[in-house]
Amino acid sequence: GAVVSQHPSRVICKSGTSVKIECRSLDFQATTMFWYRQFPKQSLMLMATSNEGSKATYEQGVEKDKFLINHASLTLSTLTVTSAHPEDSSFYICSASRPATSSGELFFGEGSRLTVL
Amino acid sequence: GESVGLHLPTLSVQEGDNSIINCAYSNSASDYFIWYKQESGKGPQFIIDIRSNMDKRQGQRVTVLLNKTVKHLSLQIAATQPGDSAVYFCAEKRNVYGNLIFGKGTKLSVKP
Repeated sequence: GAVVSQHPSRVICKSGTSVKIECRSLDFQATTMFWYRQFPKQSLMLMATSNEGSKATYEQGVEKDKFLINHASLTLSTLTVTSAHPEDSSFYICSASRPATSSGELFFGEGSRLTVL
Repeated sequence: GESVGLHLPTLSVQEGDNSIINCAYSNSASDYFIWYKQESGKGPQFIIDIRSNMDKRQGQRVTVLLNKTVKHLSLQIAATQPGDSAVYFCAEKRNVYGNLIFGKGTKLSVKP
């Protein structure tokens, strides 16, 4: 089956630093990837839609200058949390849609837990 | 605004019993629904999906029921096992290319 991989799975950083999270589709090309954020005991909230070769589309309330998304190839999207603060600590999850899938099923990565000290 | 919600935030069942997890949605325009299972510290795992032109779909030990009249979705797990313990989310899409919107989640605990 399709596999989406995220790296790193866990990251701890100091306040004010930037952190990059990678999302890769391992066995298919994904023209569109999605980034979600999940706080403890809460649901997944869509942050942005990452489009290969173009600018990401951000959901209302998500700061595009703080959460930089780059989708440079059909298999890789990156999320960079700039000038991270403790309130940015969360579980970040990416997903990708397999183009040949008519159902629209999304394949999710294993998530990246960010802790900002 | 429109949202996908759940009736029960937690559900505790005995091993071997059947589990039913419910979900209500408010947007009648949604035409694709998915159930995901999320174990602690992991990403969501696809369980089963259903389109709006169907009212029932069965998988291995799981069945999804869709009642468009009352905008209700349910996930039935037969012979629940300890490995089924997780948080279950329903999600909806307006269409194949639309964004996936998640419900609040139900935590399923299976007692041995």
